[in-house]
Amino acid sequence: SQQGEEDPQALSIQEGENATMNCSYKTSINNLQWYRQNSGRGLVHLILIRSNEREKHSGRLRVTLDTSKKSSSLLITASRAADTASYFCATDLGWDSGAGSYQLTFGKGTKLSVIP
Amino acid sequence: EAGVAQSPRYKIIEKRQSVAFWCNPISGHATLYWYQQILGQGPKLLIQFQNNGVVDDSQLPKDRFSAERLKGVDSTLKIQPAKLEDSAVYLCASSPPRTVQETQYFGPGTRLLVL
Repeated sequence: SQQGEEDPQALSIQEGENATMNCSYKTSINNLQWYRQNSGRGLVHLILIRSNEREKHSGRLRVTLDTSKKSSSLLITASRAADTASYFCATDLGWDSGAGSYQLTFGKGTKLSVIP
Repeated sequence: EAGVAQSPRYKIIEKRQSVAFWCNPISGHATLYWYQQILGQGPKLLIQFQNNGVVDDSQLPKDRFSAERLKGVDSTLKIQPAKLEDSAVYLCASSPPRTVQETQYFGPGTRLLVL
């Protein structure tokens, strides 16, 4: 089952505008990550925010996390045509000592179109 | 460093046929994942390996899907026989040791169409 649900499902903006995508999840988490997927390609990790963090920045990306509301937002400032892609949030429940790894659960994604 | 490699990139088969996908993870990554991504959905984990052992295959349809990771490096995912609903992108990912970071690195995927 999918833990995260992104909102909106699709977003279309003009180049230079800001894009905001939201992610809601159901159970308590350890980390929340955002990934980007260009058409026909694999996923690329963008940013990770831990459950004890409230905000994180990376270049033109700003991520917030509200654990009380079980939600996160991804803001892309000054968007470019190259930002056109699908964006997914992924949550993990912490280190699984049995599996020896983290396990991610992905949402359905937000499809962002940036019009030049 | 080289990324996760997958082949083939595309495959078209008829239902009831068999198909196999190959993945070569990033060197040094002990954990390898296979995901299924149906159009319009997020990736869904099928199976997870730690070295050459399976640590989670709870969502793998074992009546038709199988996977192996010999020698703890390359992995193959097989579907036999394929159904129409298996049409999807199959993504392979790998992750570094815990002490490094928690992110996963994805390959370009194999797009499967079952007719």
